[in-house]
Amino acid sequence: QVQMVQSGGEVKKTGASVKVSCKASGYTFRTYGITWVRQAPGQGLEWLGWISVYNGKTYYAQNFKGRVTMTADTTTNTVTMELGSLRSDDTAVYFCARGYSGYDFDASYDYWGQGTLVTVSS
Amino acid sequence: QSALTQPASVSGSPGQAITIACTGTSGDIGFYKYVSWYQHHPGKAPKLIIYDVDSRPSGVSNRFSGSKSDSTASLTISGLQSEDEADYYCSSYTRMSTVVFGGGTKLTVL
Repeated sequence: QVQMVQSGGEVKKTGASVKVSCKASGYTFRTYGITWVRQAPGQGLEWLGWISVYNGKTYYAQNFKGRVTMTADTTTNTVTMELGSLRSDDTAVYFCARGYSGYDFDASYDYWGQGTLVTVSS
Repeated sequence: QSALTQPASVSGSPGQAITIACTGTSGDIGFYKYVSWYQHHPGKAPKLIIYDVDSRPSGVSNRFSGSKSDSTASLTISGLQSEDEADYYCSSYTRMSTVVFGGGTKLTVL
């Protein structure tokens, strides 16, 4: 069965960077892209970006351009999201999710990771 | 890119039908047929219930249906059940080649 397993929670200082990984299993990894979505405490869902695992092409939300980097490792079936210049309002649960259709860019996501809490404090 | 607009909360009694609206612009919902809806129980991962405006993934109840008119998409849940109580989010592809979510709607089953 399809599973997306994320790395554990992180506590970071303001200005630092954080890496969150997402290991996929149960399907052909290169066929589907991966998105990252976050939810700050008491807030809604926010889209950070997308990576095409097939060709490594990335699309980032304007709010995060220059601060976020997404990479895919087809040898370990893992996608990693790095967010830099952390601020206190980056404190959130970060989710990875698989694209539904397997296109170069998917706007719908069917299998989600369990979420990773990133806490940023000074 | 501003978030899509959803009502903060809706409620209904078991067996009733409710509709959640999601308003965007001509640069997202109004232009593309790539609207999705997610059901999110707090502490769990979101669940895709509608994609491409009105399509249901395999295994999703046909009590959930989606539609779109101009720049407003809608999710209708018929035959409300207690387990439908959750947060619901719409999302849309945008002309910036990004995805934007709505602010979320809390559904209470009375």
